[in-house]
Amino acid sequence: DGGITQSPKYLFRKEGQNVTLSCEQNLNHDAMYWYRQDPGQGLRLIYYSQIVNDFQKGDIAEGYSVSREKKESFPLTVTSAQKNPTAFYLCASSIDGSDASYEQYFGPGTRLTVT
Amino acid sequence: GQQLNQSPQSMFIQEGEDVSMNCTSSSIFNTWLWYKQDPGEGPVLLIALYKAGELTSNGRLTAQFGITRKDSFLNISASIPSDVGIYFCAGQLWAQLSFGAGTTVTVRA
Repeated sequence: DGGITQSPKYLFRKEGQNVTLSCEQNLNHDAMYWYRQDPGQGLRLIYYSQIVNDFQKGDIAEGYSVSREKKESFPLTVTSAQKNPTAFYLCASSIDGSDASYEQYFGPGTRLTVT
Repeated sequence: GQQLNQSPQSMFIQEGEDVSMNCTSSSIFNTWLWYKQDPGEGPVLLIALYKAGELTSNGRLTAQFGITRKDSFLNISASIPSDVGIYFCAGQLWAQLSFGAGTTVTVRA
């Protein structure tokens, strides 16, 4: 079965700790994305990667970091510099990041709670 | 990302009703997408629209890409209880999607 997996489903951390969220896809998609979702708001883009070893900042990249060492993996690190990290984090992928491919497919999400 | 205005913010449905929601923007988009999200899950793609004026159906769902390229609507016909959830529109320009804030659909008691 092809798809996107995110783990864990729920994550709890103390303030001041960095935490890494996992995202893996076996769809053979080139492009991958990280979004943040807060109640009553649309999805906001954190980072995206159109190809291995390359990534770009989205609208709200401050306090986050990513890596793209493998095509199928795009982990997101929420650093202690992120002022309000508690949120639902969604990973997505698309065939490629060009104008020719617009459909993004989402993983099940990770709910991060920082206290 | 670009600003998308999605309305209504919430709606109540009764089984069997037709419902409609829309999305507008001050910017033009090349593609409009509609997603549905169940609580605690990731959004699922319902319909993708690629050309201005395009009308596309997926079962009981129908969506249209506005002729000005600045708006789109989604209709759900003959609602059923499993239609509840949050519906998001998304517009594509360049390599990114911009999302509306969502329409929450709830069953009327």
